[in-house]
Amino acid sequence: DQQVKQNSPSLSVQEGRISILNCDYTNSMFDYFLWYKKYPAEGPTFLISISSIKDKNEDGRFTVFLNKSAKHLSLHIVPSQPGDSAVYFCAASENGGATNKLIFGTGTLLAVQP
Amino acid sequence: GAVVSQHPSRVICKSGTSVKIECRSLDFQATTMFWYRQFPKQSLMLMATSNEGSKATYEQGVEKDKFLINHASLTLSTLTVTSAHPEDSSFYICSASRELLLQPQHFGDGTRLSIL
Repeated sequence: DQQVKQNSPSLSVQEGRISILNCDYTNSMFDYFLWYKKYPAEGPTFLISISSIKDKNEDGRFTVFLNKSAKHLSLHIVPSQPGDSAVYFCAASENGGATNKLIFGTGTLLAVQP
Repeated sequence: GAVVSQHPSRVICKSGTSVKIECRSLDFQATTMFWYRQFPKQSLMLMATSNEGSKATYEQGVEKDKFLINHASLTLSTLTVTSAHPEDSSFYICSASRELLLQPQHFGDGTRLSIL
């Protein structure tokens, strides 16, 4: 049972445009959501997170939106840069994430074309 | 800079060898660390939760006698793949977080294990 899903395995975007990566979840107990960026043969790098008490969190070019009723979150990157090309994973956790395990989505490969 | 260090980054060894991977939190104490495994083009799958001073908690389907976890201090957890076989070849990654609410887990750079 895949509790966190990223239905788009890949996304291609032109440099300077907006990248929108989507993630859906099924477990209503999740209350902390994170986005990670990953290059091959490296560990994931934390990008941005959001608590379930919020519906938006912004950090520079990255904004995460949370729609609890739809159990959906998205990551917006604007403007997209070639260096953003990587695999993006969303992850979710219960109890604020402090010592609870993360459940990862399957990842979306983002390619930003110059 | 990195807050979680993992070593070694790559191991190539013969079948039957036991391999130890270290995970260190560099600037904070972590009573809990996590070990994940990633197969090519797949997601990260949690293998076990490493608890300082007590036994690790393993996910369903993960053999605890195969994947030994020791969390002997607040900054170090080790994963030992015992008597490794080719099917154990994978990318192993650890993570840790500052144990406050709403703090992200930070990951090591992973260990590529190749069993010949």
